[in-house]
Amino acid sequence: QSALTQPPSASGSPGQSVTISCTGTSSDVGGYPYVSWYQQHPGKAPKLIIYEVSERPSGVPDRFSGSKSGNTASLTVSGLQADDEADYYCSSYAGNNRMYFGSGTTVTVL
Amino acid sequence: EVQLLESGGALVQSGGSLRLSCVASGFSFSNYGMSWVRQAPGKGLEWVSAVSGGGFHAYYAGSVAGRFAISRDNSRNTLYLELNNLRADDTAVYYCARDQVWGSSWSFDYWGQGTLVTVPS
Repeated sequence: QSALTQPPSASGSPGQSVTISCTGTSSDVGGYPYVSWYQQHPGKAPKLIIYEVSERPSGVPDRFSGSKSGNTASLTVSGLQADDEADYYCSSYAGNNRMYFGSGTTVTVL
Repeated sequence: EVQLLESGGALVQSGGSLRLSCVASGFSFSNYGMSWVRQAPGKGLEWVSAVSGGGFHAYYAGSVAGRFAISRDNSRNTLYLELNNLRADDTAVYYCARDQVWGSSWSFDYWGQGTLVTVPS
């Protein structure tokens, strides 16, 4: 099991932006356009907020955006709100019908 | 409304077995691949297994291959995960999740609330 690397924590004040990185390798993040991001509030199931690097599911605000450069994907949350305080996980397809999740980042709204 | 409801979690001794179920509603179950994802207490997410809509293709994480078996009964709109030879590090909340698009995307647009499996060390 090789989890993708995320910073343990990130923070910002209301209205500000925060960016979370997700670092993998050329065999996963860098090799496929299949990076997703999930938001998880305490005690709740994860919620899909970005798929295929930068696509947003219906109903997800455009304050959430995703990108990728080489082996690192990023999630940016703009206009931080109190409800954005949660754990965020990236995931990536890794070939051979396997996928990995990131180690997770706790976002705190100051 | 799409709903996924897991059940079957329990406390089971090391080396024991368990079967988890996930009943789906609100969508055409057989048209979607499904996965199991687990989360150990206080830890991150780990993909466990996936199965195609027809049930003919199944995939596993290395940590569970040979011990766990995924299956589905499309007539009952139910996904299963058979857990065998359980170990302490299998202790986790197990979520079932719907694949957005089987064979691509590898993203999960709906999740259940999870069922807890505890294997004492």
